[in-house]
Amino acid sequence: DQQVKQNSPSLSVQEGRISILNCDYTNSMFDYFLWYKKYPAEGPTFLISISSIKDKNEDGRFTVFLNKSAKHLSLHIVPSQPGDSAVYFCAASVMTSGSRLTFGEGTQLTVNP
Amino acid sequence: EPEVTQTPSHQVTQMGQEVILRCVPISNHLYFYWYRQILGQKVEFLVSFYNNEISEKSEIFDDQFSVERPDGSNFTLKIRSTKLEDSAMYFCASSELATSRWQYFGPGTRLTVT
Repeated sequence: DQQVKQNSPSLSVQEGRISILNCDYTNSMFDYFLWYKKYPAEGPTFLISISSIKDKNEDGRFTVFLNKSAKHLSLHIVPSQPGDSAVYFCAASVMTSGSRLTFGEGTQLTVNP
Repeated sequence: EPEVTQTPSHQVTQMGQEVILRCVPISNHLYFYWYRQILGQKVEFLVSFYNNEISEKSEIFDDQFSVERPDGSNFTLKIRSTKLEDSAMYFCASSELATSRWQYFGPGTRLTVT
């Protein structure tokens, strides 16, 4: 199942700098996208989402950008903090077809002090 | 803050045995889900449940799997005859609405089939 893909298994950034996590999707039916964060031994925690009618959504240090023509979304974290170190999952759903989430592989973000 | 809880945190079972994984969703939530993550792989949707019936299931959710809400608080996933490939982390989730934004995940149950 390659409908949602995160090509970077890991990303390392310095504290205070920007972290950019990327996600691509192939299913043009997806109309809602989410980012989840996961710490070891915990379940995924919802972070931020975006509907396909928007191209940007911002919540504090977190901004998600959606480029529908490229079927690409990205999560920007500015400024990055050591506590942001976690696995970040991109997920997508088709709102009119129930609420099944299709996840990407995840990207391990490490923010170095 | 309300949270989804799951028990046990780790379950070891022998191949062919039945297991029941338990979840307590957030109390005012109406929609319940099971996902799993095999080690090194993606988180995969198994099933969603609403109003005491399955609303959607994936191709993974075959006849070996069943879900139940036996009372007003628990939500269970049963695997009738476990296989080695059922070894995975199983996550329960719940949401107040059907919209996917509001899915809250539990900490997971690690199932090891030997």
